[in-house]
Amino acid sequence: EPEVTQTPSHQVTQMGQEVILRCVPISNHLYFYWYRQILGQKVEFLVSFYNNEISEKSEIFDDQFSVERPDGSNFTLKIRSTKLEDSAMYFCATSGLAGRNEQFFGPGTRLTVL
Amino acid sequence: DAKTTQPTSMDCAEGRAANLPCNHSTISGNEYVYWYRQIHSQGPQYIIHGLKNNETNEMASLIITEDRKSSTLILPHATLRDTAVYYCIVRRGWIQGAQKLVFGQGTRLTINP
Repeated sequence: EPEVTQTPSHQVTQMGQEVILRCVPISNHLYFYWYRQILGQKVEFLVSFYNNEISEKSEIFDDQFSVERPDGSNFTLKIRSTKLEDSAMYFCATSGLAGRNEQFFGPGTRLTVL
Repeated sequence: DAKTTQPTSMDCAEGRAANLPCNHSTISGNEYVYWYRQIHSQGPQYIIHGLKNNETNEMASLIITEDRKSSTLILPHATLRDTAVYYCIVRRGWIQGAQKLVFGQGTRLTINP
C-alpha cells in the first residue's frame, strides 16, 4: 500500500538555525499539507499546497516558514530561524482528489530545538 | 465548520465492540463526518467518513443518526492495537481545492486485555 514518507525522523537543531523537513507524497497525489503537534497538544494545521502554490496557511505559518516542491516529488517545509517553541512533531499529509478529506499522513519528523 | 464534542476518554475490553460517540448538533447539510485516529505519536490515520447513511469498511462502521446531530464509530472487535486517540471531524466533503483538517482533543480509547 502506498504511503507518505518523511525524513528525517528526528532532527535536533540549535535555536536560530535553519531546518528543512522533507516529505515524499503518495504518487499522483496533488494536495499537500503540513501539520504540527506540540507534545501533549492537538494536531494543528500549518499550510496546504496545490498546483505549486499555497492554498491556505494558519497564523502559525509566519514568515519564518516556507514550503516548496523543488523537484516535483519531494514536498519540503523550511523553518528559517528556529525558535524553542518550534519543537514539535511535524506531519506531512497528502490527498489525491479535489477537496477530499481522506488525507494520508506520514510518520512525522520530531524537531527538537535547543 | 460544525463543532464536535467527544468524551475525553473511554475504556473497552479486548475483543468487545468499542463504540465511540460524537455530537455535532450544528452540522449543516453539505458536511460530512470524518473519523481519524492517532496511535501514540504516529501520524493520524483516516478511518471512515459518511454523510447520512451508515457506512462500513474493513476498519470500522459509522452510524449517523437520522437528524445527523450525532454519530458513533464502532470498532467491532477491538484489539490492543486499537488503543489510540480517535478524532471526529466535520467537514464539507466535495469542494475544490485543498481543505485542512481541524483536530479537536479527540477521545483517548484504551483497549484492556
